Amino acid sequence: EAGVAQSPRYKIIEKRQSVAFWCNPISGHATLYWYQQILGQGPKLLIQFQNNGVVDDSQLPKDRFSAERLKGVDSTLKIQPAKLEDSAVYLCASSAGTGGLDTQYFGPGTRLTVL
Amino acid sequence: GENVEQHPSTLSVQEGDSAVIKCTYSDSASNYFPWYKQELGKGPQLIIDIRSNVGEKKDQRIAVTLNKTAKHFSLHITETQPEDSAVYFCAAGNSGSARQLTFGSGTQLTVLP
Repeated sequence: EAGVAQSPRYKIIEKRQSVAFWCNPISGHATLYWYQQILGQGPKLLIQFQNNGVVDDSQLPKDRFSAERLKGVDSTLKIQPAKLEDSAVYLCASSAGTGGLDTQYFGPGTRLTVL
Repeated sequence: GENVEQHPSTLSVQEGDSAVIKCTYSDSASNYFPWYKQELGKGPQLIIDIRSNVGEKKDQRIAVTLNKTAKHFSLHITETQPEDSAVYFCAAGNSGSARQLTFGSGTQLTVLP
């Protein structure tokens, strides 16, 4: 079974530029998560989708971050404009269920550096 | 919201010794406690989890204990091997309305050969 795929693996941009990350979850998984992991810290949830609807985006900085999950499969996370403090690893995860807390499977992440 | 504290931040053990990592949580409604291992350049991988209806769970060299009264849970790794070296994260979640995980800050485990 293929795991969670993310691209690109690395991205370097200057502040005020825009950037987009892509995630392809495990086939058939209903729930998709985007996390931000700052160096030396644990992952912090940004947004959670169930199929193509948003379950929780309370920690998403909506003035600059946006995310969508078209057709309930792939997802993109966008930052526009980027700030220095956005430098982090952006992790995508997916889980099979639609209720409760199921095992979350993580992708390898995209390391973003904002100069 | 939930707050998870994890200790220690770094841990070095000799190969073959045991390692223990401890976490405390704040929300008494949390009922799911997974542990993740993250190797350099990779995403976190689930190694073991426990739900609040049990006090202990074991899988080969790895075990997790949960004390709901004290709101803390621990990861125990016995007979450590160099390949156990990684960053370990605990997390807590609630299968009710929140349905999200809150992660600890991580423990860098180094197993010395």
